[in-house]
Amino acid sequence: EVQLLESGGGLVQPGGSLRLSCAVSGISSSYYAMSWVRQAPGKGLEWVSIINTRGDRIYYADSVQGRFTISRDNSENKLYLQLNSLRAEDTAIYYCAKGQYSDPYSSFDSWGQGILVTVSS
Amino acid sequence: DIQMTQSPSALSASVGDRVTITCRASQSISSWLAWYQQKPGKAPKLLIYKASSLQSGVPLRFSGSGSGTECTFTISSLQPEDFATYYCQQYSSYPWTFGQGTKVEIK
Repeated sequence: EVQLLESGGGLVQPGGSLRLSCAVSGISSSYYAMSWVRQAPGKGLEWVSIINTRGDRIYYADSVQGRFTISRDNSENKLYLQLNSLRAEDTAIYYCAKGQYSDPYSSFDSWGQGILVTVSS
Repeated sequence: DIQMTQSPSALSASVGDRVTITCRASQSISSWLAWYQQKPGKAPKLLIYKASSLQSGVPLRFSGSGSGTECTFTISSLQPEDFATYYCQQYSSYPWTFGQGTKVEIK
């Protein structure tokens, strides 16, 4: 069974930084694109970023471009999201999601339970 | 960016009802559309991909159809465990975008 487990969330002040991690078990994530999707409290889903298997095709939502960095360590079966210059509007549950395919143009067939990031002074 | 518009935003239905949700894209997405179910406090779950392909393990009462700019999601006979919010998502082009969601409530 595929399992994704996020960690690294918490409360941070505006302008601060956090690093989210996603540990994948049950499969080798190196064969699949991996993504981050977030959900602000009481709101809908917002795609944040995606990375292909080799890490050489990366995309970001305009809302996080230049502030967030996605990366992966296939040897450790882990996905990361570095969040810098955080704003109040980045407050959300962040989900790690596995792509169905190696290509970033995938739907997401497995999700983590989510980790809360709260940006507040 | 491709805008995804779901309708309705919410609906009330009874157990056994047939439920249909529509997702309209601002430009053609071919069949690159997925449907997800999300229950309160839980992560989304993939139900349908490529507009009409049923994800493994998902009950047959769920189905999807359509292509281009309009896709439809149907629950043929609503069950108690189906009360949730449903989202469409296009993965035809960057950036990947979701519909605003349809909340299915008990009548």
